[in-house]
Amino acid sequence: QVQLVQSGAEVKKPGASVKVSCKTSGYTFSSYGITWVRLAPGQGLEWMGWITAFNSNTNYAQKFQGRVTMTTDQSTGTAYMELRSLKFDDTAIYYCAKLGPGALGSLESWGQGSLVTVSS
Amino acid sequence: DIVMTQTPLSLPVTPGEPASISCKSSQSLLHSGTGNIYLDWYVQKPGQSPQLLIFTLSIRASGVPDRFSGSGSGTDFTLTISRVEPEDVGVYYCMQRLFPAYTFGQGTKLEIK
Repeated sequence: QVQLVQSGAEVKKPGASVKVSCKTSGYTFSSYGITWVRLAPGQGLEWMGWITAFNSNTNYAQKFQGRVTMTTDQSTGTAYMELRSLKFDDTAIYYCAKLGPGALGSLESWGQGSLVTVSS
Repeated sequence: DIVMTQTPLSLPVTPGEPASISCKSSQSLLHSGTGNIYLDWYVQKPGQSPQLLIFTLSIRASGVPDRFSGSGSGTDFTLTISRVEPEDVGVYYCMQRLFPAYTFGQGTKLEIK
């Protein structure tokens, strides 16, 4: 079955960068996109962007433009999300999700989440 | 970006009673080519990752009980639970995916009375 397994919790200082990984299995990685969503304390879900696995086209939320980079490694079926210049309010659980078929698919299957804490 | 507005933000419900959540978008989510409405519903249950509940307005995801239904048109959408059960506790989100920058509603917290 489809599985997305994310990297573990991270603690970073303000101004640093974090790179979260999302290892997939159970489907043809190159056929579907991956999206990233975060959940900050006391907030709702926030869409960050997506990447198509077959040609690495990306679309980032305007809020994160210039600070986020999403990449994929087709050889291992792994997606990555790097967020730079971290601020305190980037503290959140970061989720990857497999997109459904088509140009703008649903978020069909989700990873378990990766907690990123930004603290001095 | 498209703004998604959910109401109510908190929804206490007695088990066995129906419940509904409203979601409004700042632009129509009707795709002129396919005729589909690209509006999904997700739920995040306590201690779990979010999961897909309903996609393309009204199609239940695999394994979702038929007491859940989605409806609406253009800019106004509704998630209905015909008879709430205790395991339905969680935060429900609508999300638009017609426009490349996906956007979520603020979330509605369903709790059992």
